[in-house]
Amino acid sequence: AQKVTQTQTSISVVEKTTVTMDCVYETRDSSYFLFWYKQTASGEIVFLIRQDSYKKENATVGHYSLNFQKPKSSIGLIITATQIEDSAVYFCAMRGYTEGADRLTFGKGTQLIIQP
Amino acid sequence: EAAVTQSPRNKVTVTGGNVTLSCRQTNSHNYMYWYRQDTGHGLRLIHYSYGAGNLQIGDVPDGYKATRTTQEDFFLLLELASPSQTSLYFCASSDAWGQNTEVFFGKGTRLTVV
Repeated sequence: AQKVTQTQTSISVVEKTTVTMDCVYETRDSSYFLFWYKQTASGEIVFLIRQDSYKKENATVGHYSLNFQKPKSSIGLIITATQIEDSAVYFCAMRGYTEGADRLTFGKGTQLIIQP
Repeated sequence: EAAVTQSPRNKVTVTGGNVTLSCRQTNSHNYMYWYRQDTGHGLRLIHYSYGAGNLQIGDVPDGYKATRTTQEDFFLLLELASPSQTSLYFCASSDAWGQNTEVFFGKGTRLTVV
């Protein structure tokens, strides 16, 4: 079965610094997709960035980038030049095709607090 | 970007009551999902569907039924609501496995069972 683990429950950093959020996953699939989502204070869940398992190059979108370490089953999210509005809960997720089922599994989330 | 619309956005019902949560997506996605979100548990998959008439069981299906009437519409049914089903419910949709793998979420329905 798929499993996604985020061990950091909460992180607090000062504005304009760089933060890294950790995520490890378990799967027997040879091909899978990894995502990071952001849940805003209003509760809305927004897609941020994706990494395809077969790609060696780390994905980058705006001030979000990924640190994909496939041998360690790890997909870290890096946010550079953080802003107050980056304060949110961040979820790591994996989409795999396990035992004939295509499904998206989430970690429990990391609360990010950006302080002025 | 895909549009996923949930209704109602808020609902209060009594224990034993009958509740239907609705979801409509307008991007012709094949897959649709229902998740619940609770503090300490993150997002947990209740039911999902690969297309009209198809239903798949998720990780926490007990007490829930679902029905996919069309490609656009996916419903979650609580026939005998219990306080343990008080939660924030999200509907989501996506394309089938392949290039466009992102899953897009609705804004959520907050359900309270008193």
